[in-house]
Amino acid sequence: EAGVAQSPRYKIIEKRQSVAFWCNPISGHATLYWYQQILGQGPKLLIQFQNNGVVDDSQLPKDRFSAERLKGVDSTLKIQPAKLEDSAVYLCASSDDSYGVDTQYFGPGTRLTVL
Amino acid sequence: AQSVTQLGSHVSVSEGALVLLRCNYSSSVPPYLFWYVQYPNQGLQLLLKYTSAATLVKGINGFEAEFKKSETSFHLTKPSAHMSDAAEYFCAVRNTGNQFYFGTGTSLTVIP
Repeated sequence: EAGVAQSPRYKIIEKRQSVAFWCNPISGHATLYWYQQILGQGPKLLIQFQNNGVVDDSQLPKDRFSAERLKGVDSTLKIQPAKLEDSAVYLCASSDDSYGVDTQYFGPGTRLTVL
Repeated sequence: AQSVTQLGSHVSVSEGALVLLRCNYSSSVPPYLFWYVQYPNQGLQLLLKYTSAATLVKGINGFEAEFKKSETSFHLTKPSAHMSDAAEYFCAVRNTGNQFYFGTGTSLTVIP
């Protein structure tokens, strides 16, 4: 079974530029999550999708961050414009909650450096 | 609000010694609890999860954790540390609204 795929793995941009990350979850997983992990901290949930609907985006900085999950499969997370404090690893995870509480499977992450 | 507290951001143990990583949660109802491991430059991998079944949960790589409601704790243990256990460990809680909250992590160093 293929895991959660993310691209790119690394990205370096200057502040005020735009950047987009892509995630392809495990086939059949209805729930998709985007997390931000700042160095030395635990992952912080940015947004959670159930199929193509948003379940929780309470911690997403909506003035600069946006995410979509068209057709309920893969997803993109965009930052526009980027700030220095956005430097972090962006993790995507997916889960299948059809039969109760299921495990989140994480991708390798995208490491963003904002200069 | 749900939260998890991991006591000790860095833990060092000798190879073969007991590993104990602490996690306390705050919740008005028993939540679902998880331990994840993160190796350098890799994504998070599930070690084990508690979903209101047995209070002693066994996971991969010889790890286990015990849910203690009276102490609101979910500490992770392994009887004998191996060099390959060196990694970052995260405790996480999932509430009834399917929202996840992660602790700040504990970095485990294994001394040969």
